[in-house]
Amino acid sequence: DTGVSQDPRHKITKRGQNVTFRCDPISEHNRLYWYRQTLGQGPEFLTYFQNEAQLEKSRLLSDRFSAERPKGSFSTLEIQRTEQGDSAMYLCASSFQDTEAFFGQGTRLTVV
Amino acid sequence: GENVGLHLPTLSVQEGDNSIINCAYSNSASDYFIWYKQESGKGPQFIIDIRSNMDKRQGQRVTVLLNKTVKHLSLQIAATQPGDSAVYFCAVMMDTGRRALTFGSGTRLQVQP
Repeated sequence: DTGVSQDPRHKITKRGQNVTFRCDPISEHNRLYWYRQTLGQGPEFLTYFQNEAQLEKSRLLSDRFSAERPKGSFSTLEIQRTEQGDSAMYLCASSFQDTEAFFGQGTRLTVV
Repeated sequence: GENVGLHLPTLSVQEGDNSIINCAYSNSASDYFIWYKQESGKGPQFIIDIRSNMDKRQGQRVTVLLNKTVKHLSLQIAATQPGDSAVYFCAVMMDTGRRALTFGSGTRLQVQP
């Protein structure tokens, strides 16, 4: 499968714990995006990378959130001191320049 | 900013009929538009896209129409099948250098056999 891959698919964590998610984009794609989706809503943009540079961050991305793409390939999204409001589906997408973005299956986070 | 809205939260159609899902956007600087299909528990799946220099684009059983004058986008699905049942999102991108897609809240398409 050469699509966008996300790991883990599901994560349950206790409030206050840190979590990290991984995204492997389609190999020839230079752009990588993170979105968050809550039930019944469309995905909301969090941040995006072009190669290893993080070029844009949403106001939704609080100080507890950090994303990296150190070698311009895979990316990680870390949430520190998780809160119940962080419970959502975290989606990764990739594209080549301004062409269509393809999404992964997402990581569903539940904070208890 | 960009507000993207869908006219109907749920659309129910008979198998074999054509479906039309509508989307309105607010920012005239929007220049790239994508329709996604999302099934339960899965990530959004790309269906078709269109740029602002076009007003119509066709794919396999799907057509996207763009009316920049009234800032309206529609997705037409021909001969709707049960496998088309899902939530459909329109997403827009602006030509201001900001590369984030802004999604609408989605329309649920239910195909009745």
